[in-house]
Amino acid sequence: DAKTTQPPSMDCAEGRAANLPCNHSTISGNEYVYWYRQIHSQGPQYIIHGLKNNETNEMASLIITEDRKSSTLILPHATLRDTAVYYCIVSLGRMYSGGGADGLTFGKGTHLIIQP
Amino acid sequence: NAGVTQTPKFRILKIGQSMTLQCAQDMNHNYMYWYRQDPGMGLKLIYYSVGAGITDKGEVPNGYNVSRSTTEDFPLRLELAAPSQTSVYFCASSYRRDRGFTNTGELFFGEGSRLTVL
Repeated sequence: DAKTTQPPSMDCAEGRAANLPCNHSTISGNEYVYWYRQIHSQGPQYIIHGLKNNETNEMASLIITEDRKSSTLILPHATLRDTAVYYCIVSLGRMYSGGGADGLTFGKGTHLIIQP
Repeated sequence: NAGVTQTPKFRILKIGQSMTLQCAQDMNHNYMYWYRQDPGMGLKLIYYSVGAGITDKGEVPNGYNVSRSTTEDFPLRLELAAPSQTSVYFCASSYRRDRGFTNTGELFFGEGSRLTVL
């Protein structure tokens, strides 16, 4: 799976849009971009994923550049409860292949702090 | 639906002791995973299973064993606990199609089991 690069931390004012960048310059054609977040020490929570097109759901929007080498997660109106570590993950969609290659790889992510 | 349930939430072990972390899901998911997370780090995959009777090693399997006798349950066994196994353990599940290319799916995580080995 392609590797991702995220800033270690970011601040955002409450009520403003939080834009979290992710670089994945080695992404291949069948690889999806996933975003998860982990609030305090809870289990990670799925946010959104995409392949080529921009995606939106009730939590966030995902903007993927045309060359797919980077993406941005947008939280439109950040609240204090959005303070968390956000993980950008790139993973190949595929059948079961064995060899330990079928789990998502979580790096250190971006620690987003929403300021009151 | 309870989702993914992990027990126990906290446990302290002595070096050399054994224990099993329990994980159960009620979403009829075929894939289940065990991750560990050390302080300030990301999650590392220990073992995973693609269905009852099938398990496979992840990135850090040494010192652990798993079994998957039913779709719902995926216990993680620590045979001889060592201080290096002090960590937070997360179980997760997902549904993936068995044929063709598919996205790896939305993983549903449990609340975690915090294990300390002294």
